[in-house]
Amino acid sequence: GEDVEQSLFLSVREGDSSVINCTYTDSSSTYLYWYKQEPGAGLQLLTYIFSNMDMKQDQRLTVLLNKKDKHLSLRIADTQTGDSAIYFCAERISPAGAGSYQLTFGKGTKLSVIP
Amino acid sequence: EAGVAQSPRYKIIEKRQSVAFWCNPISGHATLYWYQQILGQGPKLLIQFQNNGVVDDSQLPKDRFSAERLKGVDSTLKIQPAKLEDSAVYLCASSLVALAADEQFFGPGTRLTVL
Repeated sequence: GEDVEQSLFLSVREGDSSVINCTYTDSSSTYLYWYKQEPGAGLQLLTYIFSNMDMKQDQRLTVLLNKKDKHLSLRIADTQTGDSAIYFCAERISPAGAGSYQLTFGKGTKLSVIP
Repeated sequence: EAGVAQSPRYKIIEKRQSVAFWCNPISGHATLYWYQQILGQGPKLLIQFQNNGVVDDSQLPKDRFSAERLKGVDSTLKIQPAKLEDSAVYLCASSLVALAADEQFFGPGTRLTVL
């Protein structure tokens, strides 16, 4: 079955880099996502990576994908206090066949940024 | 562009009572999702609509949960009767379709507390 695993907590100092890790199980996943959730808010898509890529960079965000190990990571450079939030890794699955795509989420990693 | 709207934002009820949540997706989005997010966990898909048809409701507890999307726009999710374990945030999301890398846009959620 599908399962996405993440560490639950990460604490970093302001200005340092943060690395959030995730493992997934469905080798047929075509897209993998990182979402950010701030307190009391819905999920906001940060970035995604297609499965035929091994790296994607978007300003302060770098996503690394190791498809062989089914390992995904999100690196946030120069972490700011505004980056404090819960970060969810998600994989795209197609349980009902072609034309039906869904997301399976991990439990989220709570990032705390120390000023 | 207006985002996904949900109401109410908060609801407190006693067990065995009924409750309904409403979602208005982004205009033109054909696909609508309802997720349940229990505290400390990632969102879990309950039901997925494509226009006014159900694509997947395999994780919806149909003995007490129901959802509809009349006219393929707004959607309501109902719980009748509620149990203590239904306490969670109920998130609605929408996307243009459910293909390719279509982004799911999330609403702010409805926080349900069952006493």
